[in-house]
Amino acid sequence: DTEVTQTPKHLVMGMTNKKSLKCEQHMGHRAMYWYKQKAKKPPELMFVYSYEKLSINESVPSRFSPECPNSSLLNLHLHALQPEDSALYLCASSQGDNEKLFFGSGTQLSVL
Amino acid sequence: KQEVTQIPAALSVPEGENLVLNCSFTDSAIYNLQWFRQDPGKGLTSLLLIQSSQREQTSGRLNASLDKSSGRSTLYIAASQPGDSATYLCAVNSYIPTFGRGTSLIVHP
Repeated sequence: DTEVTQTPKHLVMGMTNKKSLKCEQHMGHRAMYWYKQKAKKPPELMFVYSYEKLSINESVPSRFSPECPNSSLLNLHLHALQPEDSALYLCASSQGDNEKLFFGSGTQLSVL
Repeated sequence: KQEVTQIPAALSVPEGENLVLNCSFTDSAIYNLQWFRQDPGKGLTSLLLIQSSQREQTSGRLNASLDKSSGRSTLYIAASQPGDSATYLCAVNSYIPTFGRGTSLIVHP
């Protein structure tokens, strides 16, 4: 299994909603990443987990809350988002830090 | 802070042409450089990874080179096909992976 699986593929939420994005990999990778990508822009790093511990937080607003329940799962909890948070959210994993990245197909998020 | 630039921003070519996409970076202390393809609204597909100690990697019609000292990488696509149409992104990994803005490629029949 060489896939990173993200669910849901599409999500529409209001500004008062609470929702979660899910990412799963079964490649035994020990580093997992959340990226945010706006249309026609490059992916921007949000968070990095290394061995299930948050190692990098790129000054992301607290309305985004990551969670790594185990080495195969990565969640991104969303609360009180703004319309400008609408974007493609990408999850990635790698065997270890600074190694080859494998990306999921992303969750297209729309905040109304 | 690492800065990554990709040139050209967009490219439109007839089928069959050989193409060169460029990626430059400001900090040569890198672990590796990875080239990706992205179709609209989709995730990133890895094409090639070059470790910092390597000069070149090849996969099928794709060849990527790395010149760390000058802060440059090149992705060469041979005999382009309409199915190659996509955005090509390079990611430079120097502690954290940093992406360029990409080259949007259209190959028309």
